[in-house]
Amino acid sequence: KQEVTQIPAALSVPEGENLVLNCSFTDSAIYNLQWFRQDPGKGLTSLLLIQSSQREQTSGRLNASLDKSSGRSTLYIAASQPGDSATYLCAVSPNQAGTALIFGKGTTLSVSS
Amino acid sequence: DAGVIQSPRHEVTEMGQEVTLRCKPISGHNSLFWYRQTMMRGLELLIYFNNNVPIDDSGMPEDRFSAKMPNASFSTLKIQPSEPRDSAVYFCASSFGGGGNTIYFGEGSWLTVV
Repeated sequence: KQEVTQIPAALSVPEGENLVLNCSFTDSAIYNLQWFRQDPGKGLTSLLLIQSSQREQTSGRLNASLDKSSGRSTLYIAASQPGDSATYLCAVSPNQAGTALIFGKGTTLSVSS
Repeated sequence: DAGVIQSPRHEVTEMGQEVTLRCKPISGHNSLFWYRQTMMRGLELLIYFNNNVPIDDSGMPEDRFSAKMPNASFSTLKIQPSEPRDSAVYFCASSFGGGGNTIYFGEGSWLTVV
């Protein structure tokens, strides 16, 4: 059974720092991996989607990498800002495109000004 | 597009009452998901519909939970009778082509059962 783990559960950094959030999964046979952002009291917003054949995806100050063979992904946030404070979740899609995502429990990020 | 629309946003109900949560997916999406989020267990998939047909309902906790999707633009999640342990945030999400594509979440329905 696929399991997704995110460590640490919480992270506090000062504004301007570059930071890395980690995600690991137990079964390397994935279709793709997505990173989401969740603000308090809100739903999830998809940030980046990496197909299993890709190594990384970039959007603005965000860069997500994928090492499928080792079961790891990282989300790199450059020059963090207070507005980046949120919970970040990763999720893997199993080996069939039609089935649903399996989520980690998230890392709650706090960026202080 | 208005995004995935859920109602009610907040509900407080007494144990034993029936609760119905509603979802309107994004127009054109053919996959719909119901998730439950709690502090202890995180996000858990309850049920997944594709083209209005339930594909995976293995996450539905027990017979008290039921979900329907009578057409492509509407789904309900019903809990009857409700129990305090059902208190959670229930999310509806939709996508085109299943969980392997970008998935869009609603704002959630915050359920408290007292």
